[in-house]
Amino acid sequence: LAKTTQPISMDSYEGQEVNITCSHNNIATNDYITWYQQFPSQGPRFIIQGYKTKVTNEVASLFIPADRKSSTLSLPRVSLSDTAVYYCLVGDPLKGGKLIFGQGTELSVKP
Amino acid sequence: GAGVSQSPSNKVTEKGKDVELRCDPISGHTALYWYRQSLGQGLEFLIYFQGNSAPDKSGLPSDRFSAERTGGSVSTLTIQRTQQEDSAVYLCASSNLAGGPSSYEQYFGPGTRLTVT
Repeated sequence: LAKTTQPISMDSYEGQEVNITCSHNNIATNDYITWYQQFPSQGPRFIIQGYKTKVTNEVASLFIPADRKSSTLSLPRVSLSDTAVYYCLVGDPLKGGKLIFGQGTELSVKP
Repeated sequence: GAGVSQSPSNKVTEKGKDVELRCDPISGHTALYWYRQSLGQGLEFLIYFQGNSAPDKSGLPSDRFSAERTGGSVSTLTIQRTQQEDSAVYLCASSNLAGGPSSYEQYFGPGTRLTVT
């Protein structure tokens, strides 16, 4: 199972770019890297998913180096509403039971 | 369209009683997941259903926990003889694994908060 390691918490200010890095040294060939956002009292919400190189959507970018042993979620110009817990998830989506959520990174955005 | 729904939203039960938690996934989604989240903790995988395959029960913490998925749609998680350590938020998610990598994301329900007194 691909174990993930990410910072427990991060602080930022409105308007700044936030980069959260996740380490996954034993990632397997069929594993994808997915990031979720969770607000208090809500279920997690999908942010972005990638396999290699760079992926960008309307809310974030995901950078994955060639060795795929880590990944970085980049949130451009964060706002107070981006305060949440961010989870890095690594695994083969076709083997749902092997998808392990880590402890997540609690991001606090200040004015 | 409708998302994943769960019921009840809150459940308070006495130690030793059985509880049933329900999950209605997004229509057409082939995969269904159950997770447990204790206060301030990450998500703990419980069980996974995919199509007609045998469920992956590797995350169930004890034989007091069981789940079924009827007709490839609605799922029920049953906890027998509840204990105080079972108190947590139980989250259900579904995804469409038949649609290729771009559709692998899990859509989560709002969860059921279970309190065992």
